Amino acid sequence: GAGVSQSPRYKVAKRGQDVALRCDPISGHVSLFWYQQALGQGPEFLTYFQNEAQLDKSGLPSDRFFAERPEGSVSTLKIQRTQQEDSAVYLCASSLLGPADEQYFGPGTRLTVT
Amino acid sequence: SQQGEEDPQALSIQEGENATMNCSYKTSINNLQWYRQNSGRGLVHLILIRSNEREKHSGRLRVTLDTSKKSSSLLITASRAADTASYFCATDAGNNNDMRFGAGTRLTVKP
Repeated sequence: GAGVSQSPRYKVAKRGQDVALRCDPISGHVSLFWYQQALGQGPEFLTYFQNEAQLDKSGLPSDRFFAERPEGSVSTLKIQRTQQEDSAVYLCASSLLGPADEQYFGPGTRLTVT
Repeated sequence: SQQGEEDPQALSIQEGENATMNCSYKTSINNLQWYRQNSGRGLVHLILIRSNEREKHSGRLRVTLDTSKKSSSLLITASRAADTASYFCATDAGNNNDMRFGAGTRLTVKP
């Protein structure tokens, strides 16, 4: 079956622009996660959804970051007024049930803010 | 903030040799997972070990967990060039809803 997909794969934004990153999880997966991965580092947790409910957004670095999953499937991570420090790979993952289950990762969106 | 720390940061071995990577973490956990990431690709789940387990095997992979020392190790036996990747441990950090990843070990297997 299809895995987790993300779009776009690459995004270049000028500082101050808003961007929207999309994640299509594996069908039927309850949990969805967003991570930010800087070059040479491990993924840093951003936020977690159980179906359409955002249960944890403690990792979002500022109020410029916003995520939603309105119908409990596709999710969008939005970054407003992008800054250079937002440049990173944004990874989406889904798991069948909860956070303790195996997570299936998408290929990521590489965001470059110039 | 990252919960796990992998050691070493980088490891270079010859094909056929064994590779051992270690992970230390700070808080109590329910489970610990190891992931692999090839250059430019997403993470792939390798193995999950629960807090009440001490050792687990999957093919050429062997994972141990010592909750008293808050540490885990990943052993790859008979390494292949295709094993070249970054390896991350991730913990569920107890009651939190997130997985915390370490900075990873960069493994290079020379043919």
